[in-house]
Amino acid sequence: EVQLVESGGGLVQPGGSLRLSCAASGFTFSNYWMHWVRQAPGKGLVWVSLIYSDGSGSTYADSVKGRFTISRDNAKNTLYLQMNGLRAEDTAVYYCARVYCDGTRCSSGLGYWGQGTLVTVSS
Amino acid sequence: SYELTQPPSVSVSPGQTASITCSGDKLGDKYACWYQQKPGQSPVLVIYQDRKRPSGIPERFSGSKSGNTATLTISGTQAMDEADYYCQAWDGSTFVFGTGTKVTVL
Repeated sequence: EVQLVESGGGLVQPGGSLRLSCAASGFTFSNYWMHWVRQAPGKGLVWVSLIYSDGSGSTYADSVKGRFTISRDNAKNTLYLQMNGLRAEDTAVYYCARVYCDGTRCSSGLGYWGQGTLVTVSS
Repeated sequence: SYELTQPPSVSVSPGQTASITCSGDKLGDKYACWYQQKPGQSPVLVIYQDRKRPSGIPERFSGSKSGNTATLTISGTQAMDEADYYCQAWDGSTFVFGTGTKVTVL
């Protein structure tokens, strides 16, 4: 069974930093692109970043580019999101997610999600 | 930046059909996905590649696309289908979610 468990959220002051982790199990982690998606309280889903299966490439939403860094450790089956220069508008539940694959082909749909970890940016 | 537009809300009576649209520039050239999210829960993928259902998703959920508008249809809507629904597309470098639609089953 695919499992994704986020951790590392909490309260941080504006301008501060935080590193989120996502522990993956139940699948061959190194074979899949992974994503971070966030959701501010009472608001919609917002894609944050993705990283290729081997970590060789990544892309970011404009709102976090230059402040957030996605990375992964395939030996530890763990995805990370380093968040620097945090702002009040970064307050959200952060989800890690994996693409859905049918057979040997993967879609762009995110078929597996963690339970999320809450990041609150406030003084 | 790329945007996907959905109606804020849709109301439907139990047993009837609910349709949710998602519009975006050149969406016809991209695959659309749909997610269901209930309060306090993580999103669930209900449609991928415009019209395919992941395993375990009921047949009453279907997807289609015409031009630059994708549509999620819930046939024979049940009370348990009351939730927020989001479309999503991949533009080759970034993912984009739609604005979200709250489906109310009256």
